[in-house]
Amino acid sequence: EIVLTQSPATLSLSPGERAALSCRASQSVSSSLAWYQQKPGQAPRLLIYDASNRAIDIPARFRGSGFGTDFTLTISSLEPEDFAVYFCQQRSNWPRTFGQGTKVEIK
Amino acid sequence: QVQLQQSGPGLVKPSQTLSLTCAISGDSVSSNSAAWTWIRQSPSRGLEWLGGTYYRSKWYNDYAVSVKSRITIRPDTSKNQFSLQLNSVTPEDTAIYYCAREIGGFDFWGQGALVTVSS
Repeated sequence: EIVLTQSPATLSLSPGERAALSCRASQSVSSSLAWYQQKPGQAPRLLIYDASNRAIDIPARFRGSGFGTDFTLTISSLEPEDFAVYFCQQRSNWPRTFGQGTKVEIK
Repeated sequence: QVQLQQSGPGLVKPSQTLSLTCAISGDSVSSNSAAWTWIRQSPSRGLEWLGGTYYRSKWYNDYAVSVKSRITIRPDTSKNQFSLQLNSVTPEDTAIYYCAREIGGFDFWGQGALVTVSS
């Protein structure tokens, strides 16, 4: 199975700052990578699919990039509601797998 | 707007069967473009995809190797829903269980259900 490794585990930033989250795959997933945001007590919310496509109603400050094994989720300017846990997930192969998550916390 | 509504017991005894149902509105379980999946989340295992069912001229299922011998996911076209059965549960199966639609990514999710395995 494809292992996804996210870094850093925790990112401490202030509102208005730029966040860059990394996801590395153990083998190529082409562009079949998605990003999710999860807040406490809620289901994950799809932000980005196929590496760089924003899902419906996702603000333009969220940008996904990458191909193959290295991917980045960039939040251009953090809003208060963006402090949450972010997961990457691949759909290149079965089984679908998720990264362990990056927590973006308020500094 | 697609909505997924989960139902099922929150407490299951060890060695028994965990059963959950996910009712779909705003889409069809027989859709040719979607997969209907179950995902669970626990502190020890993180987010874990368990499996899914999908229709592409006929029905298919895919399951995670970790649960393949114990899991069944079934569509119910008459009620537009799908179900999860996980047999021979242990405390390690304690988790929040989600149903989700997969198109591109998992774009719609159920509300989640904490299922505890305990005697």
